[in-house]
Amino acid sequence: LAKTTQPISMDSYEGQEVNITCSHNNIATNDYITWYQQFPSQGPRFIIQGYKTKVTNEVASLFIPADRKSSTLSLPRVSLSDTAVYYCLVAPSGGGYSTLTFGKGTMLLVSP
Amino acid sequence: GAGVSQSPSNKVTEKGKDVELRCDPISGHTALYWYRQSLGQGLEFLIYFQGNSAPDKSGLPSDRFSAERTGGSVSTLTIQRTQQEDSAVYLCASSLSRFGSVTDTQYFGPGTRLTVL
Repeated sequence: LAKTTQPISMDSYEGQEVNITCSHNNIATNDYITWYQQFPSQGPRFIIQGYKTKVTNEVASLFIPADRKSSTLSLPRVSLSDTAVYYCLVAPSGGGYSTLTFGKGTMLLVSP
Repeated sequence: GAGVSQSPSNKVTEKGKDVELRCDPISGHTALYWYRQSLGQGLEFLIYFQGNSAPDKSGLPSDRFSAERTGGSVSTLTIQRTQQEDSAVYLCASSLSRFGSVTDTQYFGPGTRLTVL
């Protein structure tokens, strides 16, 4: 089980870039790294997923160093609507659902 | 298109009563997941269905919890003899995966908030 560690909370201001780092020292070879975003009273929604190096989509970028023991979710120019809880999930492809735990996530608060 | 729906959105029950929570996944999604989220906590995996295969029940916290998925679509999570510690938001998710890969994007419903008095 690749346990993840994230900061409990982060504060930012509108227009700034936010980087949230997740530690997963015990990541296995077949593990992927996925980030989800959860707004109050809603279910989480997928943001981005990667295995190594860098992945970018229209919402965010995900940086994964060569040792894969950590990953960083980068949100460019955040707005108030980016205030949410962000979960880092490390799980294997092809199964192992009993180990599928999201952890407590990082509460990002964006202020004007 | 329609997303994952769950009902009821809120459920208040008395300790010892049974409750049923319903999940309607996205049409065509073969995988369905149930999670539990307690106040201020992360998501706790409960159970996973993949097509018509036997479900992975390894996350269920006790034998008071059970789930069914009829016809490979709608799922019902049943909690018998509810306890106060069962109070939480119960989230359902579905994904398109045919092989149960967790790399597949999960689409979550809005959840059912269960309060056990």
